[in-house]
Amino acid sequence: AQRVTQPEKLLSVFKGAPVELKCNYSYSGSPELFWYVQYSRQRLQLLLRHISRESIKGFTADLNKGETSFHLKKPFAQEEDSAMYYCALSQFSGGYNKLIFGAGTRLAVHP
Amino acid sequence: ETGVTQSPTHLIKTRGQQVTLRCSSQSGHNTVSWYQQALGQGPQFIFQYYREEENGRGNFPPRFSGLQFPNYSSELNVNALELDDSALYLCASSLEVGFDAGELFFGEGSRLTVL
Repeated sequence: AQRVTQPEKLLSVFKGAPVELKCNYSYSGSPELFWYVQYSRQRLQLLLRHISRESIKGFTADLNKGETSFHLKKPFAQEEDSAMYYCALSQFSGGYNKLIFGAGTRLAVHP
Repeated sequence: ETGVTQSPTHLIKTRGQQVTLRCSSQSGHNTVSWYQQALGQGPQFIFQYYREEENGRGNFPPRFSGLQFPNYSSELNVNALELDDSALYLCASSLEVGFDAGELFFGEGSRLTVL
């Protein structure tokens, strides 16, 4: 079954420390993976997707098909990075597409 | 450009009642999806509407139903409410089915509490 696993509910770091939010997936096919973010009192929004290979707000994520992982990384965390982060897998079949989300990891960056 | 808007933002119902949640999609988007987010969980796909037809459904019973209107706005209806239906219901719109799949634009959600 298609599944996304985020093993950490909470990740707490100090400002300037490196951050790695873990995401593992199971999918039979070629996966499309995303990171969505929800800042306090804001709506869920797309942060980045693996096909674009961009760095957004200093975050990067590399798809590792061998380890079935899509970890989100940032070398130096900022306080404004504190938010809820969701890894998601896009499934397109039967004429519709849906996102399969992990349970999310709360990142808390302390001054 | 108008974003996705949902109403109501909060509501309380009792077990057995029915509820209707509403969503206006982002301008130019013809595809609407609904997700249920229980406390401490990620959003879970309920169904998707494209050009006024339901074109995909997740693992939810038939008492969860929906509509999409010609202006692409949408409704989610839940009948015979159960306590476990208490959750945040998210509406998300996208430009086109299959196109740039995965880039969804979410509303702020409707928080339903069932007593």
